[in-house]
Amino acid sequence: KNEVEQSPQNLTAQEGEFITINCSYSVGISALHWLQQHPGGGIVSLFMLSSGKKKHGRLIATINIQEKHSSLHITASHPRDSAVYICAGFSNSGYALNFGKGTSLLVTP
Amino acid sequence: NAGVTQTPKFQVLKTGQSMTLQCAQDMNHNSMYWYRQDPGMGLRLIYYSASEGTTDKGEVPNGYNVSRLNKREFSLRLESAAPSQTSVYFCASTRQGISYEQYFGPGTRLTVT
Repeated sequence: KNEVEQSPQNLTAQEGEFITINCSYSVGISALHWLQQHPGGGIVSLFMLSSGKKKHGRLIATINIQEKHSSLHITASHPRDSAVYICAGFSNSGYALNFGKGTSLLVTP
Repeated sequence: NAGVTQTPKFQVLKTGQSMTLQCAQDMNHNSMYWYRQDPGMGLRLIYYSASEGTTDKGEVPNGYNVSRLNKREFSLRLESAAPSQTSVYFCASTRQGISYEQYFGPGTRLTVT
């Protein structure tokens, strides 16, 4: 069973569009990672957050621990943003991340 | 810094063969992880090593063994490969535990026929 659900599973956008990817979790977590997996397979960490909002360039991540929900926003999307975006939650008492299945994003010129 | 390196990048095995996937990090991280990624599923933890000298089972440890050789290296061994172990394997490291940024290796694509 997957305790972390992402939506949408697949997303196609035109260059310049504002994009939102959602992550909901059924169990209590204390914080959450957002990861990006490139078409070639490599995985990089984008954010880790436990409250509020973080911004890095055109990427913004928000989290509401009480509502068990996080969002990743991409402003002014670009074809190079095409990738799979993965959220992963964890609790401070745990040892492992609970990964979502990922959202596959394609940004067309 | 090379970050997290994995070898090999690709491997094809026959059922019953054994092999070891190698992982090394040069960031002086304490914690290391082995994950597998299968189509339609999230990354799943196979084994982890919270610190040098310790290893523990994750969500899907059956059919695998690990060795934390030293602080830098964490290997994953398949003693008798099965087709169900066809997957992409990722090694990752963090400074100390899951609340720190995860650094991933490039992955090993394993096919068991």
